[in-house]
Amino acid sequence: RKEVEQDPGPFNVPEGATVAFNCTYSNSASQSFFWYRQDCRKEPKLLMSVYSSGNEDGRFTAQLNRASQYISLLIRDSKLSDSATYLCVVNNMDSNYQLIWGAGTKLIIKP
Amino acid sequence: GAVVSQHPSWVICKSGTSVKIECRSLDFQATTMFWYRQFPKQSLMLMATSNEGSKATYEQGVEKDKFLINHASLTLSTLTVTSAHPEDSSFYICSAIGQVNTEAFFGQGTRLTVV
Repeated sequence: RKEVEQDPGPFNVPEGATVAFNCTYSNSASQSFFWYRQDCRKEPKLLMSVYSSGNEDGRFTAQLNRASQYISLLIRDSKLSDSATYLCVVNNMDSNYQLIWGAGTKLIIKP
Repeated sequence: GAVVSQHPSWVICKSGTSVKIECRSLDFQATTMFWYRQFPKQSLMLMATSNEGSKATYEQGVEKDKFLINHASLTLSTLTVTSAHPEDSSFYICSAIGQVNTEAFFGQGTRLTVV
């Protein structure tokens, strides 16, 4: 089983739709959680950190369920510019802060 | 957010030569730096983890004698691809974390093409 698993994708959705990304992690000792966005041929960029209480930034909402070892990212009112690959990342201090990456889910927003 | 500068952004070299890639944290001290490789349409693959002043820890399957990593200061890590071959052509990305936060900040990446 992979340490971090994401929906395989790609997601093809119309502009304006709501999109949900799911991610599960296997190490219960994981301490920090992030969503990164990667555009084609570019470096990943931090989209949001994920906090236990859940957090929202504009159209983006991230949630963490430690009991289920599950992380989610919700994008509301999707824009064409949201098209990218979304990567779920987990960080475990016990492994020297090594980031464990999901394979990513590609999102394609269609006009 | 914090800034990590990586250069060169792209490089073309001949087979058999060596290429050095630099990764600098510009506004924070990076206690740990990570080097990744990404082949087309694939996810990032961690190559090695380096802590300032100590030897890098390489992932299984990554040749430490081929991919030399130096992390001599808290703001600079270098990756040298020695005796490069066409199969080493890839997108190499560094990331760094500081002493306080656990967020990782990425360099812009280096596209290496070996001909």
